[in-house]
Amino acid sequence: GESVGLHLPTLSVQEGDNSIINCAYSNSASDYFIWYKQESGKGPQFIIDIRSNMDKRQGQRVTVLLNKTVKHLSLQIAATQPGDSAVYFCATGPLPGLTFGSGTQLTVLP
Amino acid sequence: DAGITQSPRHKVTETGTPVTLRCHQTENHRYMYWYRQDPGHGLRLIHYSYGVKDTDKGEVSDGYSVSRSKTEDFLLTLESATSSQTSVYFCAISETGGNSPLHFGNGTRLTVT
Repeated sequence: GESVGLHLPTLSVQEGDNSIINCAYSNSASDYFIWYKQESGKGPQFIIDIRSNMDKRQGQRVTVLLNKTVKHLSLQIAATQPGDSAVYFCATGPLPGLTFGSGTQLTVLP
Repeated sequence: DAGITQSPRHKVTETGTPVTLRCHQTENHRYMYWYRQDPGHGLRLIHYSYGVKDTDKGEVSDGYSVSRSKTEDFLLTLESATSSQTSVYFCAISETGGNSPLHFGNGTRLTVT
């Protein structure tokens, strides 16, 4: 079956540095990609999404890059802040029902 | 937050008892989903609904049933709870069901003893 995996289960970065979280997927038919942030005790919160006809999309302090050739997705967070500490999930469509990766715990060091 | 309320937030129940979890939305979105989240497995889809009385199975539907009698409410029922159903359950909604974000509630932590 299809799978979505994150490259590192944990990532520590210094406050103010840029963070890069990576994700690989296996399904060539995936045409929708999305990143979520999850804080302890809360549900996943939508960060940014990208469709398969794009290879880059930018939001506020975040950029998602999509490389369909190697089935790789990354989330870049600029000037990482303490409030960015959380678990980050990538997920793929098509819907109904996204397929989620297992998550990367991002820790921001002072 | 996207106007999604899950109840209860926490529940402890015994093996073999029925359990119903409720998801209520105020966004009038057509699509609703139930996921479970377990360590090492990420989020997995249990059931989803694409309209009132229209539901379908997800990846891990065995042992679960759902009902949607109103747009705003989506119920998840464990007919006879087992310890393997101990998990955190999340409800999600989406407006179109196509390539659009799912918005999640804050979850129900269920423990089956």
